[in-house]
Amino acid sequence: LAKITQPISMDSYEGQEVNITCSHNNIATNDYITWYQQFPSQGPRFIIQGYKTKVTNEVASLFIPADRKSSTLSLPRVSLSDTAVYYCLVGTENDKLIFGTGTRLQVFP
Amino acid sequence: GAVVSQHPSWVICKSGTSVKIECRSLDFQATTMFWYRQFPKQSLMLMATSNEGSKATYEQGVEKDKFLINHASLTLSTLTVTSAHPEDSSFYICSASHREGTDTQYFGPGTRLTVL
Repeated sequence: LAKITQPISMDSYEGQEVNITCSHNNIATNDYITWYQQFPSQGPRFIIQGYKTKVTNEVASLFIPADRKSSTLSLPRVSLSDTAVYYCLVGTENDKLIFGTGTRLQVFP
Repeated sequence: GAVVSQHPSWVICKSGTSVKIECRSLDFQATTMFWYRQFPKQSLMLMATSNEGSKATYEQGVEKDKFLINHASLTLSTLTVTSAHPEDSSFYICSASHREGTDTQYFGPGTRLTVL
């Protein structure tokens, strides 16, 4: 089973930019990469989605290299309320949708 | 837009009983709904994918007779955990999308099941 890996945890301070990577070597040719934020005992909340190059919305940017085997979620100027677990979701070559292992982001004042 | 609800938000039951969890897309028609299970400090694991009006597709290792999924309309899917046991205690989360595959999944708030 293809594994989608992320760093287990990251620490940051308020106001800093945070970049979280996701490795997905078996990504399907036509599938998108989606990132979610999850707070304890809640369902994941959609952050951003992209296919290639760079996507930006009001809360984050998503960088995807040409080979699409990884992606990086960029959170500009994080605040305490951004403390959460972040997951990437990727479709793989064997037609499976798989969540990444998750990155626990802790933001300090 | 793209709001998904789940009911109940938590449930406690005795071992051997069955529990039904509802998942509704409130402001869009969901051609596909997904059911996930999440254990503490772990990622979400896909249990099954259901399309409206057809049988659900279960992931390897998920017993279809134990986890009954019904997707009777474009806005409602139900997951019934039959003869629940303590090892079934988990956080169950549904999601809905307009079409299968690459379209965005919108998640419900989750249902915490505790089997005594």
